[in-house]
Amino acid sequence: DAGVIQSPRHEVTEMGQEVTLRCKPISGHDYLFWYRQTMMRGLELLIYFNNNVPIDDSGMPEDRFSAKMPNASFSTLKIQPSEPRDSAVYFCASSSRLKGNSPLHFGNGTRLTVT
Amino acid sequence: DQQVKQNSPSLSVQEGRISILNCDYTNSMFDYFLWYKKYPAEGPTFLISISSIKDKNEDGRFTVFLNKSAKHLSLHIVPSQPGDSAVYFCAAKVGGNTGFQKLVFGTGTRLLVSP
Repeated sequence: DAGVIQSPRHEVTEMGQEVTLRCKPISGHDYLFWYRQTMMRGLELLIYFNNNVPIDDSGMPEDRFSAKMPNASFSTLKIQPSEPRDSAVYFCASSSRLKGNSPLHFGNGTRLTVT
Repeated sequence: DQQVKQNSPSLSVQEGRISILNCDYTNSMFDYFLWYKKYPAEGPTFLISISSIKDKNEDGRFTVFLNKSAKHLSLHIVPSQPGDSAVYFCAAKVGGNTGFQKLVFGTGTRLLVSP
């Protein structure tokens, strides 16, 4: 089991540019989550999908943020245009409800720096 | 508004001693609590959990205690080892049939265990 795979590991971009973060969940997992980690707020849930369908995006901070899951093995989180306050570590996680409410399995994150 | 609070950003302990990490919550609807451990440049990994119907859960060197009346839980690590040095996140989920889809995380406590 390769675990949740995120790319890139680091992203440095200038304010105003578009940023796309990518995630491959664990095979067979039917839930996918995007979290953002900051010092002030810890880990915040941005959006989650069930069977590729967005269920709750109430954590998405602004319209500049969007997420898609075109198939069961791939998801993207896009920020357009990016701003310095978006600098954070973004985590993707997946889980399987069928496995008795198994806890979330996180990827290693993407550290985003917007200058 | 932080529903899950970890008021100690850091904790230093000597090897062999007990580490106690604390977590307070405000939402009385939480019915399940988890601790995640995070090493630098890695994603959080599940450590231990406790249901709100229990007051203690033990797994090897790790024990979680829950005091519902005080809305407080703690993670005890005995004996502490240098490899335990990491950031520990407390998380909680609201009761009902939501599974782990809406985990609420604290801001984390950085534990340093010195030899």
